[in-house]
Amino acid sequence: GAVVSQHPSWVICKSGTSVKIECRSLDFQATTMFWYRQFPKQSLMLMATSNEGSKATYEQGVEKDKFLINHASLTLSTLTVTSAHPEDSSFYICSARQFQGTAEAFFGQGTRLTVV
Amino acid sequence: KQEVTQIPAALSVPEGENLVLNCSFTDSAIYNLQWFRQDPGKGLTSLLLIQSSQREQTSGRLNASLDKSSGRSTLYIAASQPGDSATYLCAVTGYSTLTFGKGTMLLVSP
Repeated sequence: GAVVSQHPSWVICKSGTSVKIECRSLDFQATTMFWYRQFPKQSLMLMATSNEGSKATYEQGVEKDKFLINHASLTLSTLTVTSAHPEDSSFYICSARQFQGTAEAFFGQGTRLTVV
Repeated sequence: KQEVTQIPAALSVPEGENLVLNCSFTDSAIYNLQWFRQDPGKGLTSLLLIQSSQREQTSGRLNASLDKSSGRSTLYIAASQPGDSATYLCAVTGYSTLTFGKGTMLLVSP
């Protein structure tokens, strides 16, 4: 199956700093990527849909100025958590879909963010 | 808005048992349904993908069925093993996104 690479797999940062997470589709072009957040023992919650070359679409309640999403190419989307606070500590996962064929979704391995 | 419900939320069984995990969704206008496995602190591993036109898919000891009209899917795990212990997530694909259930946490004891 297709591969989606997410980096870093874990990061610890100080409050007030910004953290960038990368999501790459390695062997297919992903016109759309999705960013999810997962709190402990909770399911994945969609944060935003990232479209190549256009602005991301954020879900209700997600602060677009805090979670900056850039999808500059067909293989790369980035999520930047700006001015991070401890409550932003979570597991972030990206997903890329092939809109041809099966429309199967492929996921990155996730990024564990801890803000101290 | 699509809603996905998984039952049970948690399940504990002894090794060797056959078990069924349930997933229901409210909007039958889907492209496909996927079952994922998630180990603690890890990302998602895709187990099975069922297209909206299909009724079931099989992979090894796993069998997933889909009844789109009633908004239900089941994941059947045969002869469970301790290595099957994980959280199993069901997700449905609509036009623009995926909607996940909250998962079933499975524990298979030796």
